[in-house]
Amino acid sequence: AQTVTQSQPEMSVQEAETVTLSCTYDTSENNYYLFWYKQPPSRQMILVIRQEAYKQQNATENRFSVNFQKAAKSFSLKISDSQLGDTAMYFCAFIQMNRDDKIIFGKGTRLHILP
Amino acid sequence: EAGVTQFPSHSVIEKGQTVTLRCDPISGHDNLYWYRRVMGKEIKFLLHFVKESKQDESGMPNNRFLAERTGGTYSTLKVQPAELEDSGVYFCASSQEKTGPSYEQYFGPGTRLTVT
Repeated sequence: AQTVTQSQPEMSVQEAETVTLSCTYDTSENNYYLFWYKQPPSRQMILVIRQEAYKQQNATENRFSVNFQKAAKSFSLKISDSQLGDTAMYFCAFIQMNRDDKIIFGKGTRLHILP
Repeated sequence: EAGVTQFPSHSVIEKGQTVTLRCDPISGHDNLYWYRRVMGKEIKFLLHFVKESKQDESGMPNNRFLAERTGGTYSTLKVQPAELEDSGVYFCASSQEKTGPSYEQYFGPGTRLTVT
């Protein structure tokens, strides 16, 4: 079965701190994309960062970076120098390449950045 | 460029009533998806349109749900009759036809459906 597990339902950190959100997934496929999506309160869900499974180098987007461990099927998100605007629900997800188009999501982690 | 829009943002209906949700994808996007998140659970895939054709409807819960995409533009998702377990947030997403290793789907803000 294809599943995504986010073990932290909710987290709070102080502004400017670094926070890591955990994610593990399960798939029998070898080629897939991994994503972290962010949904701020009452706003649209947006893509934060994307990782191709065939790439060993961890993706980075400004203050956001991932730690991708393919053998362990782990895909954590690190937010450095956290800002109040990072307060949101974060969803870990993946999609199989060259198969169906459905994204498989985790349950989400609600992140609060405290002033 | 306008993003994916959904209407209404919130709908409260009684059990047994009918509700129709609408999604307008990004202009030019052939692929349109519906997802649903029940409170505290994962966001789950419902179905996928390519233009006006249903490519994959494997996630539709039952025959009380009917999705259409006439003319390959906007889509509607009708729930008739609604049940309590249909409550949740319904997301629509769209993407361009896959031409490269992007696989990015752009999401709308969702419609929160509450069935009482």
